[in-house]
Amino acid sequence: DAGVTQSPTHLIKTRGQQVTLRCSPKSGHDTVSWYQQALGQGPQFIFQYYEEEERQRGNFPDRFSGHQFPNYSSELNVNALLLGDSALYLCASRPTPPPNTGELFFGEGSRLTVL
Amino acid sequence: LAKTTQPISMDSYEGQEVNITCSHNNIATNDYITWYQQFPSQGPRFIIQGYKTKVTNEVASLFIPADRKSSTLSLPRVSLSDTAVYYCLVPGGSYIPTFGRGTSLIVHP
Repeated sequence: DAGVTQSPTHLIKTRGQQVTLRCSPKSGHDTVSWYQQALGQGPQFIFQYYEEEERQRGNFPDRFSGHQFPNYSSELNVNALLLGDSALYLCASRPTPPPNTGELFFGEGSRLTVL
Repeated sequence: LAKTTQPISMDSYEGQEVNITCSHNNIATNDYITWYQQFPSQGPRFIIQGYKTKVTNEVASLFIPADRKSSTLSLPRVSLSDTAVYYCLVPGGSYIPTFGRGTSLIVHP
């Protein structure tokens, strides 16, 4: 059973460019969340998708957008890249409720470097 | 969101038991407490989860006092491979697990 898979694993972009990151959730999981992790920090919640809609959003600007497909896979898009967007982007999946149990399954992440 | 407080770093030696305590004073009634482990450049990995008293699995034990305002992750007989960052998460009724800075555990030979 494949776990959460993310692509690409590494990528380099320049300021102002746009990037799309992809995530396939663990089999049987229908809720996908995205996190940004800067060096030395804990993961910061970006947003969560369920039934192809954004359900919760963290404190991130509109440059960060996402999408969930009918097969539950998801994309994270970041427009007008800034140097500060350089980070490890993590995708996490879980089955639907109970939500307060909090168990998430993470992928290995996509390392984005903005030059 | 429930705020959690953990020590920033801890040091231990191989074979010792390590206890990491997390404070979560405003935990919600329905919240579970979840601990994750993260190695450099990898995604966090679920370790253990509990609601009250004590939970034990093949990796760790989790101790939760009656007031649930804190929890202690116990790692028995650590090895070098346990060197990682450990996060305590409490949803705080928001349904969104929120990570703090975690505790960086270094295990020495």
